[in-house]
Amino acid sequence: GAGVSQSPRYKVAKRGQDVALRCDPISGHVSLFWYQQALGQGPEFLTYFQNEAQLDKSGLPSDRFFAERPEGSVSTLKIQRTQQEDSAVYLCASSSFRTDTQYFGPGTRLTVL
Amino acid sequence: GENVEQHPSTLSVQEGDSAVIKCTYSDSASNYFPWYKQELGKRPQLIIDIRSNVGEKKDQRIAVTLNKTAKHFSLHITETQPEDSAVYFCAASIKDSGGYQKVTFGTGTKLQVIP
Repeated sequence: GAGVSQSPRYKVAKRGQDVALRCDPISGHVSLFWYQQALGQGPEFLTYFQNEAQLDKSGLPSDRFFAERPEGSVSTLKIQRTQQEDSAVYLCASSSFRTDTQYFGPGTRLTVL
Repeated sequence: GENVEQHPSTLSVQEGDSAVIKCTYSDSASNYFPWYKQELGKRPQLIIDIRSNVGEKKDQRIAVTLNKTAKHFSLHITETQPEDSAVYFCAASIKDSGGYQKVTFGTGTKLQVIP
């Protein structure tokens, strides 16, 4: 079946612009995670959704970062007033509540100029 | 919170040789340890995982060992092939109070298999 998809795959933003990154999880997956992956580093946890409930947002680096999953499927990560330090690959992952395995999307590479 | 250290950061081996990547974790409550392979520009893909009640797991050329007492776990790849070249991430995971596995990743090991 279809895996996790993300769009856009690449995004270039001028500093100060707002961006919205989309994640389509595997159908039926209750759990959805967002990660930030800086160049040469491992993914770092940003936030977690169980269906439409955001149960953990402890990894969001600032109040400029906001995530939602209003209908419990597609999720959007929004970054307001982007800064150069926001440049990274943003990965989305989903998992079934019965298993611990997280399946990753291809990521969105964000470059802030 | 959990801290995962991974080494080496880079590893070059001749085709056919074995490769070993080692990780340590800090939180004794971690109970699930996945390993991901990430090729350049691609998504991380799970290659093997192990739970805290198991000491070793093998899948063809790949094996993972876990020492809970020492909080060490390792990935072993035997008979390496050029297509094994990628970045490998270890991870340690804790069951959060919300019922989900909160995963902390290592910093990655870039494996190069030389033909």
